[in-house]
Amino acid sequence: DAGVTQSPTHLIKTRGQQVTLRCSPKSGHDTVSWYQQALGQGPQFIFQYYEEEERQRGNFPDRFSGHQFPNYSSELNVNALLLGDSALYLCASSTGGFVETQYFGPGTRLLVL
Amino acid sequence: GEDVEQSLFLSVREGDSSVINCTYTDSSSTYLYWYKQEPGAGLQLLTYIFSNMDMKQDQRLTVLLNKKDKHLSLRIADTQTGDSAIYFCAESRSGTYKYIFGTGTRLKVLA
Repeated sequence: DAGVTQSPTHLIKTRGQQVTLRCSPKSGHDTVSWYQQALGQGPQFIFQYYEEEERQRGNFPDRFSGHQFPNYSSELNVNALLLGDSALYLCASSTGGFVETQYFGPGTRLLVL
Repeated sequence: GEDVEQSLFLSVREGDSSVINCTYTDSSSTYLYWYKQEPGAGLQLLTYIFSNMDMKQDQRLTVLLNKKDKHLSLRIADTQTGDSAIYFCAESRSGTYKYIFGTGTRLKVLA
């Protein structure tokens, strides 16, 4: 049973560019959440996708957008990259309810130069 | 507020018990979680406790919850060098899907 998978593992971009990160949820899960973890910090919630729609969003600008596909996989897009967007981006999957446990993938480390 | 606070560092000797503490502010917390993060890796779920419980034991792990003081602890018995990692507590709250994480406690186990 595959767990949560993310690609790529590492990425280097320059300021102003755009990036797309990908996530496949754990088998049997239909909900994907994205978190940003800056160096030395705890993860911060970006948004959650369920039934192909964003259903909750954290305090992140509109430069951060996402998508969920019919097979429940998800993409995180970040436009107009800033140096401060450098972080580990974590995807978590769960089933649809409020109190369902979230299982995390290994993350994508993004460096913006 | 949304703060979940943890001490930054803990150092213990191999074979001793480790106790990692966490305080949270919101009384509407439903579940509280402990995750482990090894260098360069994602978060591994260790255990969780429902907010109406006081204690949960799972092999070497014991979670204690004091709702009155909004204090959560994780005790690791017979700590091993492989337990060296960063430990995050996280809470989920009624009516929201997001988890709120602490800043993490770096546990160093000395041989």
